[in-house]
Amino acid sequence: LAKTTQPISMDSYEGQEVNITCSHNNIATNDYITWYQQFPSQGPRFIIQGYKTKVTNEVASLFIPADRKSSTLSLPRVSLSDTAVYYCLVGDMAGGYNKLIFGAGTRLAVHP
Amino acid sequence: DAGVTQSPTHLIKTRGQQVTLRCSPKSGHDTVSWYQQALGQGPQFIFQYYEEEERQRGNFPDRFSGHQFPNYSSELNVNALLLGDSALYLCASSLKGWEQYFGPGTRLTVT
Repeated sequence: LAKTTQPISMDSYEGQEVNITCSHNNIATNDYITWYQQFPSQGPRFIIQGYKTKVTNEVASLFIPADRKSSTLSLPRVSLSDTAVYYCLVGDMAGGYNKLIFGAGTRLAVHP
Repeated sequence: DAGVTQSPTHLIKTRGQQVTLRCSPKSGHDTVSWYQQALGQGPQFIFQYYEEEERQRGNFPDRFSGHQFPNYSSELNVNALLLGDSALYLCASSLKGWEQYFGPGTRLTVT
């Protein structure tokens, strides 16, 4: 499974847009990019998943350049409740054998 | 629709003891995965169960074992507990291994 690299921590303020970039230079053709969010003492929660270009849902947007060696999670107008750890994962989602490999994640702190 | 549930919420055990953690998957899900999360780290994959069999296993010793029942619920057993086994144990369920839904976890403390 492809290894990912993301910043250890980020700080932001309420109402700002936050962009978290993840590097995955060894991504394979069949790999998808998935982001999870985790609050303290809770299990991770699926945010968004994509293969190429741009994916948007009610929570976030995911931007993936043509070479797919990196991706950017964009959180619009963050609030204090967005303070959490964000994990970028890369793996083959076909065939139903997707064990999730988590890195250390990015600790996002949103300030008033 | 109930999500993934885990029991107990918290547990305190002594070194050398054995522990069993339980997980009920989200309705309609047939695959259960277990993860161990140490403080300040990302979750680490232990194993995955599908059709009552262990389908994949991470880099964990044989002291960690599991079981899946016909109703898709699952148990994680850890024998001969070590201090290093203290962690948050997460269960995740999915349908045929796709998008995984995590439970709240069981906080295990080994003293």
